[in-house]
Amino acid sequence: DPKIIQKPKYLVAVTGSEKILICEQYLGHNAMYWYRQSAKKPLEFMFSYSYQKLMDNQTASSRFQPQSSKKNHLDLQITALKPDDSATYFCASSQEGQGNTEVFFGKGTRLTVV
Amino acid sequence: GDSVTQTEGLVTLTEGLPVMLNCTYQSTYSPFLFWYVQHLNEAPKLLLKSFTDNKRPEHQGFHATLHKSSSSFHLQKSSAQLSDSALYYCALSEWSNNRIFFGDGTQLVVKP
Repeated sequence: DPKIIQKPKYLVAVTGSEKILICEQYLGHNAMYWYRQSAKKPLEFMFSYSYQKLMDNQTASSRFQPQSSKKNHLDLQITALKPDDSATYFCASSQEGQGNTEVFFGKGTRLTVV
Repeated sequence: GDSVTQTEGLVTLTEGLPVMLNCTYQSTYSPFLFWYVQHLNEAPKLLLKSFTDNKRPEHQGFHATLHKSSSSFHLQKSSAQLSDSALYYCALSEWSNNRIFFGDGTQLVVKP
């Protein structure tokens, strides 16, 4: 059974619209992340959360807003979608506290903006 | 700032030959190094990571040695298998935080 659930698996959106990518993890981890993978940039760090608090934001655009309603949830809201936002978005998690802990990835949401 | 460099974008070799994927890094402090592997249409997953006591990590026939003097953590395997074809990421993190810096990745293609 997948321990990190991302929904939907595939998503097609119209330019200018808004979408929310869902992520839930059942590993008991305290830290959660969003990464983006596209042809232009292989695996790009976006956000990190620890105990539901934003720790690191490497996304220049405010159109990307993570939302943590529960300890094991970290959704990603994207507004005013652009074709350049087309990518696979991976949610990930790890145990907080030590830098050498393994990061576990979900299967990703493949977003296509038309 | 912290960064990871993987010089090869694509490595193609014949089954049975040795594999070596290069990884060098820049870090302010003593980092932890990782190799992640991503097969087609799958999520990245951990292949191996460096130890604090300088033991050489090994997994699925792959190994890597952290050389602090040259800031390198090259991935090696003595004999490539067809199933090794995948995208390999070298990654780095600091003790004080969980943010992982990924390199650009090396696509390994193993041919019969």
